[in-house]
Amino acid sequence: NAGVTQTPKFQVLKTGQSMTLQCAQDMNHNSMYWYRQDPGMGLRLIYYSASEGTTDKGEVPNGYNVSRLNKREFSLRLESAAPSQTSVYFCASSSGRGNQPQHFGDGTRLSIL
Amino acid sequence: QQPVQSPQAVILREGEDAVINCSSSKALYSVHWYRQKHGEAPVFLMILLKGGEQMRHEKISASFNEKKQQSSLYLTASQLSYSGTYFCGTEGLGGGADGLTFGKGTHLIIQP
Repeated sequence: NAGVTQTPKFQVLKTGQSMTLQCAQDMNHNSMYWYRQDPGMGLRLIYYSASEGTTDKGEVPNGYNVSRLNKREFSLRLESAAPSQTSVYFCASSSGRGNQPQHFGDGTRLSIL
Repeated sequence: QQPVQSPQAVILREGEDAVINCSSSKALYSVHWYRQKHGEAPVFLMILLKGGEQMRHEKISASFNEKKQQSSLYLTASQLSYSGTYFCGTEGLGGGADGLTFGKGTHLIIQP
């Protein structure tokens, strides 16, 4: 059972470079999410997609863009990477109803030099 | 606004009990609890819903006080496998699919 798959697992970028983080889920979930996790800060929501064709900003959207390519895939793009975007990025999915859990991918560890 | 978790860290001997608290400043529809081990993804433990019952996952249980907008996670007879960081994630009364707001986490260390 794959669940939520994120690629790549690790990446090092130089300041100003661009990159897209990929996320795919095979649970037929309607909703997908991107979080970033920094030491001592917990998980913070960057963007979410409540259903295919919709995307909305979360708590910390600046410097990021997203695309809900289809029901399975939700990508996160850094157009011009900055050292402050060094973090662990988690993608999650859920059925979308409030009483259902979110399922997380294994994360992408991103370093910006 | 981020919910506040307490304590920030706790060290226990195997077999001891612990309580982790999560407090929000806004009215809540649900509280989710997750455990994360170092270098791994968060793993779902349980959901507490507005108007719902106390939940249990193995020897871990949780409660939700809607009036106080607080939830507590109870770990009884702790096992070495319980070590990790525990996060609460809250959902406002709008419910639906607009993501969770997570606390900063509680680090739990279980010693043999």
